[in-house]
Amino acid sequence: DIQMTQSPSSVSASVGDRVTITCRASQGIASWLAWYQQRPGKAPKLLIYASSGLQSGVPSRFTGSGSGTDFTLTISSLQPEDFATYYCQQAYSFPYTFGQGTKLEIK
Amino acid sequence: QVQLQESGPGLVKPSEALSLTCTVSGGSMSTSSYYWGWIRQPPGKGLEWIGSIYYSGSTYYNPSLKSRLTISVDTSTNQFSLRVTSVTAADTAVYYCARRRSGTSYKNAFDIWGQGTMVTVSS
Repeated sequence: DIQMTQSPSSVSASVGDRVTITCRASQGIASWLAWYQQRPGKAPKLLIYASSGLQSGVPSRFTGSGSGTDFTLTISSLQPEDFATYYCQQAYSFPYTFGQGTKLEIK
Repeated sequence: QVQLQESGPGLVKPSEALSLTCTVSGGSMSTSSYYWGWIRQPPGKGLEWIGSIYYSGSTYYNPSLKSRLTISVDTSTNQFSLRVTSVTAADTAVYYCARRRSGTSYKNAFDIWGQGTMVTVSS
């Protein structure tokens, strides 16, 4: 199985800050990577597909990049609704696997 | 727009089978662009992909669950189902159904999710 490792596991930031979350795959996955946002008690929501594709309706302050084994999700200017947990997911090979999550908290 | 809704018992006894159904509304399941899948999340933990199915019936299972797992589809009712046998407390989780977009554009991302249903395994 391909292991997905996110860092940091948690981060504290303020409204207006720029935040970057990193996801590393245990082997190359080209650009077969997605990012999801999950608010408490809610289902995950797709933010980014194919490493850098912005899902329809998602604000442009969310940016994804990377290829191969190293990927990043950047939120350019944090808004109050962005405080949530973020997951990366590889869809390069079965079984699909998720990172352990990064909890973004208000400082 | 397409919506997914999970349904099924919220409490299952150990050693019995867990059965859930996902109803797809607002669009047909029988399109070549999508697969339909199940993902679960134990309380306070991360996400685990369980398996996926194509409208034709082709299935893809997580090897960690494969021996206990059946995913089926009924395109006449626009539903797909999950069955997990011989459950234990480790199967306690929120179970989500989701639509996976295939192809080189979306690269298999899960773009639409159900709200999730909590299943507790306990006697």
